[in-house]
Amino acid sequence: ETGVTQTPRHLVMGMTNKKSLKCEQHLGHNAMYWYKQSAKKPLELMFVYNFKEQTENNSVPSRFSPECPNSSHLFLHLHTLQPEDSALYLCASSQDPGGTSGRSGLFFGPGTRLTVL
Amino acid sequence: KNQVEQSPQSLIILEGKNCTLQCNYTVSPFSNLRWYKQDTGRGPVSLTIMTFSENTKSNGRYTATLDADTKQSSLHITASQLSDSASYICVVSLYNQAGTALIFGKGTTLSVSS
Repeated sequence: ETGVTQTPRHLVMGMTNKKSLKCEQHLGHNAMYWYKQSAKKPLELMFVYNFKEQTENNSVPSRFSPECPNSSHLFLHLHTLQPEDSALYLCASSQDPGGTSGRSGLFFGPGTRLTVL
Repeated sequence: KNQVEQSPQSLIILEGKNCTLQCNYTVSPFSNLRWYKQDTGRGPVSLTIMTFSENTKSNGRYTATLDADTKQSSLHITASQLSDSASYICVVSLYNQAGTALIFGKGTTLSVSS
């Protein structure tokens, strides 16, 4: 629909598990992002990649590890998470690295609903 | 401090009625303001973008206004439909020497009932 897909859509994991979230965009954009969305909080920017290079790490704990093998794919590797990490994780892409220009700004995927037990 | 405040936090209206959502911001230097709609189980989708010089912009039944002097924006929905039930997020971008940053509001959850 938006040209950005995310898998899995739902994930339940224990604190000792290791899992990965996958994002793929079919829009030819050069910038990709990971956002965390928690209830009653603004979206929190986690990581920004521009032309496969990480340009921003917003003080994210090391238990979250991003990987961008090319401009179309983005991963978020998870290990030893905490219950407070439970949230909706949104991937987005944009034409420009700021996500502000153009008619549509950021294109978001549907998100992965993560529950950490 | 750069902030975006939205009100109300949630709103319930009857189908066919109009409503207005508010967004106040203290973001500087201001670049533009967007309204996003986020349906349940989906990511946000851009509705409108407004720059400093634009006062009003429409997208179908959605009309956004911007008052750059008072740093306020509103999103007016006319003749609401059940499909308008969603979260509406105001996002203000700033641009300075460090680059671009997006400041997100917490969103307003709109429920349209029949």
